[in-house]
Amino acid sequence: AQKITQTQPGMFVQEKEAVTLDCTYDTSDQSYGLFWYKQPSSGEMIFLIYQGSYDEQNATEGRYSLNFQKARKSANLVISASQLGDSAMYFCAMTLLMNRDDKIIFGKGTRLHILP
Amino acid sequence: KAGVTQTPRYLIKTRGQQVTLSCSPISGHRSVSWYQQTPGQGLQFLFEYFSETQRNKGNFPGRFSGRQFSNSRSEMNVSTLELGDSALYLCASSRNWDTSSGNTIYFGEGSWLTVV
Repeated sequence: AQKITQTQPGMFVQEKEAVTLDCTYDTSDQSYGLFWYKQPSSGEMIFLIYQGSYDEQNATEGRYSLNFQKARKSANLVISASQLGDSAMYFCAMTLLMNRDDKIIFGKGTRLHILP
Repeated sequence: KAGVTQTPRYLIKTRGQQVTLSCSPISGHRSVSWYQQTPGQGLQFLFEYFSETQRNKGNFPGRFSGRQFSNSRSEMNVSTLELGDSALYLCASSRNWDTSSGNTIYFGEGSWLTVV
């Protein structure tokens, strides 16, 4: 069965420091996509970054980068120079190209607190 | 460009009533999917529509239904509401139904449903 594991329920980080949010995934499919979303208290799920299973280079989007280690089935999100506005819930998610049952499989999330 | 729009944002219903939530996808997006988010169960997939056809359905009772119109707008309906249906309902859209690179999935702000 497909599964996303986020082992950090909560994190406290000082402003301007870099942050790494952990994500491991489990699937026997070869074709899949990995997403990170940010969810502030308002509820909106904001797309941050995407990594395809066949992409050889790690994805980057501004201050966000995805540390993709396929052999370890790891897709950690790195936020450089954290800001107060980064305080939110962060979800790692996976989609499977062939298994269409669940569309997106989400982890339980990590609540990130940025301290001034 | 306009993002995914969900209405209403907040609503309160009583047990036994029914509710209809609306979702307007990003222009040009033909796939719409719905998710339920609760503190206990996390994010769970409800169903997905593409070109007015339901492609996938999650593990929810028949009280949960949806449809998609020719302009890709989608509605979901919950009949005979139960207290446990209180949740944030998120709608997401993507250009196509597949999860190939570049077919990013974008979410709306969600509809907060409280059943009393």
